[in-house]
Amino acid sequence: EDQVTQSPEALRLQEGESSSLNCSYTVSGLRGLFWYRQDPGKGPEFLFTLYSAGEEKEKERLKATLTKKESFLHITAPKPEDSATYLCAVQAAGKGGGNKLTFGTGTQLKVEL
Amino acid sequence: GAVVSQHPSWVICKSGTSVKIECRSLDFQATTMFWYRQFPKQSLMLMATSNEGSKATYEQGVEKDKFLINHASLTLSTLTVTSAHPEDSSFYICSASPPGWNEQFFGPGTRLTVL
Repeated sequence: EDQVTQSPEALRLQEGESSSLNCSYTVSGLRGLFWYRQDPGKGPEFLFTLYSAGEEKEKERLKATLTKKESFLHITAPKPEDSATYLCAVQAAGKGGGNKLTFGTGTQLKVEL
Repeated sequence: GAVVSQHPSWVICKSGTSVKIECRSLDFQATTMFWYRQFPKQSLMLMATSNEGSKATYEQGVEKDKFLINHASLTLSTLTVTSAHPEDSSFYICSASPPGWNEQFFGPGTRLTVL
């Protein structure tokens, strides 16, 4: 069974204080690993897809990296508007479920002034 | 591009009634859509995969007779919660992928409250 574990559950940062969120996964053949941002009361917003170990993607203050066992979402010099829950999900290769995703429980990030 | 909408954004109903939630892909066609449920402080749990023109595939533990899914066109899937009870109160979110994409794009969600 595919599993995704995210840590920490919650993270409080000061504005400008860089940090990293972790996503550990076990999957029988990784098709892709996805990062989403979710604001309260809204649907997840797509951020990144990573396909193979060593791959990195960047968008503004966010950078996602991937190894064979985990992914990190690095947040550089965060701002209050980066406050949200960040979700990690994996998609297994070769299964009949097509694009089915398995989500972690997320990291709730709060960035304070 | 890749915009998904849901309607309604929130609904309150009495116990025992049925509620229908619509999910539309606005700028692409989707042969497959997904329905998730999210309880407070928890992550998204996949309920079912909706397939255009055929029966939906339900995840283990999800009652197919309670959560009816109809995917009648390439841009519309509906989820009907039948005989809703307070324990069905939750945040329901749909998603879809443009043809050939692995990424899923999510709708804004529907908050269901059953009194």
